[in-house]
Amino acid sequence: ETGVTQTPRHLVMGMTNKKSLKCEQHLGHNAMYWYKQSAKKPLELMFVYSLEERVENNSVPSRFSPECPNSSHLFLHLHTLQPEDSALYLCASSQVLGAPGNTIYFGEGSWLTVV
Amino acid sequence: DQQVKQNSPSLSVQEGRISILNCDYTNSMFDYFLWYKKYPAEGPTFLISISSIKDKNEDGRFTVFLNKSAKHLSLHIVPSQPGDSAVYFCAASVGTGNQFYFGTGTSLTVIP
Repeated sequence: ETGVTQTPRHLVMGMTNKKSLKCEQHLGHNAMYWYKQSAKKPLELMFVYSLEERVENNSVPSRFSPECPNSSHLFLHLHTLQPEDSALYLCASSQVLGAPGNTIYFGEGSWLTVV
Repeated sequence: DQQVKQNSPSLSVQEGRISILNCDYTNSMFDYFLWYKKYPAEGPTFLISISSIKDKNEDGRFTVFLNKSAKHLSLHIVPSQPGDSAVYFCAASVGTGNQFYFGTGTSLTVIP
């Protein structure tokens, strides 16, 4: 138990579907992140939120839409995805942003398959 | 452009021996380095970290060494145990930044 919970753990969706990934952190952290892990590639940062405000959007296609209603919850809304979007999506949190010694803690990930 | 590189995709070590996992980086502004361990079907778990003001940090069987001049860090596991078999990622950040940069991981197998 890392203190960061992701649901669902596995998701299969068609290219015309709309679905959402949910993340909740119980660590009292102020920053939350979405990362994507594809096979044989490094973890790719998608979005960063600090105190519910988006501070980073790494050229992610608009078919991925994040939402951070409060500092404990983060969503990733998915719409008209492509098969190449199939990957492990990892949520993470850290106490703050931009501070020395900042450490991020990951959830267990949501495996997404787009068919 | 990948700023953090793990050039060995896999490593096999006998139980009880030392495992050495290596990581190189290109950005001299990085001032904080982390190692994560990942089992299949789980998210990465934070293992150990080191600030750029140090060259060594030890936590039980795990020691991280940092060589700033070579832009190189390594993780030593002594003695290695079968439960250490996992994928290990190194990561780096600039203290004032919003990003952590990850390597592609090294898959460690500890043979009983």
